[in-house]
Amino acid sequence: EVHLVESGGGLRQPGGSLRLSCVGSGFIFGDYTMSWVRQTPEKGLEWVSALTWNSVDVDYADSVRGRFTISRDNAKNSLYLQMNSLRVEDSALYYCARGTWGSPFDYWGPGTLVTVSP
Amino acid sequence: EIVLTQSPGTLSLSPGERATLACRASQSVSSNYLAWYQQKPGQAPRLLMYGASSRATGIPDRFSGSGSGTDFTLTISRLEPEDFAVYYCQQYGSAPRTFGQGTKVEIK
Repeated sequence: EVHLVESGGGLRQPGGSLRLSCVGSGFIFGDYTMSWVRQTPEKGLEWVSALTWNSVDVDYADSVRGRFTISRDNAKNSLYLQMNSLRVEDSALYYCARGTWGSPFDYWGPGTLVTVSP
Repeated sequence: EIVLTQSPGTLSLSPGERATLACRASQSVSSNYLAWYQQKPGQAPRLLMYGASSRATGIPDRFSGSGSGTDFTLTISRLEPEDFAVYYCQQYGSAPRTFGQGTKVEIK
């Protein structure tokens, strides 16, 4: 059974940094493109970033480009999101999800909460 | 950016009734790469449909999807108690991948 579990969320002040992690199990992690998606009550679901299985292709939403960096370690079945220069509007529940680039998000983790507040 | 507009915002129905949810795109969705997700309170979204009309693994056949280009529909033929939730459409054919704002299906 496919499982994704995020960690690393927390409370930061504006301008701060945070690193999210996601560990996958139940599938060959290194075979799949992985993504980060965030959700707030106000803005709904927003795709944040995606990274191909071999880390060759990467993409970011305009709202995070230049501040966030996605990476992965297939040997550890892990996906990461380094979040720098955090803004209040980055506050959200962050999900790790399998898929994109021509595929839907077929599995999601339970999410990790990021709060950015003065 | 493709903007997805879902309607109605809320659908009030009784168990056993048919639900029809709409998703309209601001421009044509490439290769009909349109997905539908179900989300219940406190849970992550769950993939229901992909490619506009293909059911994801384990999704019952009372769920069906249709449409192409800019207009898509999710139909639940007979609502079961566990189907009352929020439903989102999402396009994954163009960057950035975008979601609709959701339709809440509530018990009447």
